[in-house]
Amino acid sequence: AQTVTQSQPEMSVQEAETVTLSCTYDTSESDYYLFWYKQPPSRQMILVIRQEAYKQQNATENRFSVNFQKAAKSFSLKISDSQLGDAAMYFCAYNSDYKLSFGAGTTVTVRA
Amino acid sequence: DTGVSQDPRHKITKRGQNVTFRCDPISEHNRLYWYRQTLGQGPEFLTYFQNEAQLEKSRLLSDRFSAERPKGSFSTLEIQRTEQGDSAMYLCASSLETGQETQYFGPGTRLLVL
Repeated sequence: AQTVTQSQPEMSVQEAETVTLSCTYDTSESDYYLFWYKQPPSRQMILVIRQEAYKQQNATENRFSVNFQKAAKSFSLKISDSQLGDAAMYFCAYNSDYKLSFGAGTTVTVRA
Repeated sequence: DTGVSQDPRHKITKRGQNVTFRCDPISEHNRLYWYRQTLGQGPEFLTYFQNEAQLEKSRLLSDRFSAERPKGSFSTLEIQRTEQGDSAMYLCASSLETGQETQYFGPGTRLLVL
């Protein structure tokens, strides 16, 4: 079974600053996908960014980027120029075939 | 809006009652997934369908839980004889079977068993 670990229960960032969320995972697979999802309070989960394990290039989506270290099984998310709307719970997730395995989440608060 | 929809959004029931939730996936998606999320935790996989076939069930899905997707479109999740431990958010997601398995989530059904 794959396990996903998010070691930071909470992170706080000043508006316009940068915050990095950590994620590590355990797998024996070589081909898989990694995701970061955002879940605002009382709102639905939305995809932030995805990374295919066979791609060496780190994925980026506007202000969101990842640092994917396959050998270290590490997949961190960097949020640049943080905005108030970025406040949410962020989940790291792993998928090799069908089901997603999620970490426990990191709550991000943005200070105005 | 052609996203994943779920109904109802909230359900309060008494212990021992049966409840049924519905999920309508994105129309062209042939895979549909159910997850359960308790407060402050990440979602946990329950089961998934490819078209109308239920291909995997988690050990979390006790005999009191049953899921169907009769025509390969919408799905229902029924919980019989609800227990207080069933209180959670039940999330539905859907995806294409393309090998690029991005799952898109619905808003969830929040269940409270009194």
